Amino acid sequence: GDSVTQMEGPVTLSEEAFLTINCTYTATGYPSLFWYVQYPGEGLQLLLKATKADDKGSNKGFEATYRKETTSFHLEKGSVQVSDSAVYFCALTPNQAGTALIFGKGTTLSVSS
Amino acid sequence: DGGITQSPKYLFRKEGQNVTLSCEQNLNHDAMYWYRQDPGQGLRLIYYSQIVNDFQKGDIAEGYSVSREKKESFPLTVTSAQKNPTAFYLCASSPVAGAVYNEQFFGPGTRLTVL
Repeated sequence: GDSVTQMEGPVTLSEEAFLTINCTYTATGYPSLFWYVQYPGEGLQLLLKATKADDKGSNKGFEATYRKETTSFHLEKGSVQVSDSAVYFCALTPNQAGTALIFGKGTTLSVSS
Repeated sequence: DGGITQSPKYLFRKEGQNVTLSCEQNLNHDAMYWYRQDPGQGLRLIYYSQIVNDFQKGDIAEGYSVSREKKESFPLTVTSAQKNPTAFYLCASSPVAGAVYNEQFFGPGTRLTVL
């Protein structure tokens, strides 16, 4: 079945460092891809999305490009801040009616000043 | 403001008791979902509903039940048959059942602890 694999954390960075969180997927057809962020004790917020190959999603300085040839959707940010400390989830949804998201296990990011 | 509300934020119950978690949305979304989150496990789908009076089991439905009598509401009951109910429960909704992208919006979650 469809699945998402994320790099394991925690990822620990200093403020202004470059961030990459790897995400690869297995899916039949052409899924839509998402990154969600979860701050401590809260629900998930959509960070960015891409719905077809070569699309680039971006928001709040974060970017990810839908790479069908490598089945990847890596999350990047050029300069992280302490406020970016959170858990990041990569997810996909098959392009079928009313289907739920399939999530990776999440990657914890900790940024220190 | 439109959004998804879950109540309560923290819930404590004794072992063997059924408990119902509330989820309400005023986004006029057709589809609603319940996920369970455990440390290091990501999110796992319990149940989802595409329209009123209809719902489907997800990957871990055993020990849970749901109802969808109104478009705005999708309560989840954790029954005594659920062997390990202590977890963080997240409710979500998406704009149009059958939409290709299925982007989901999440509530703030309910942390259930069974004593």
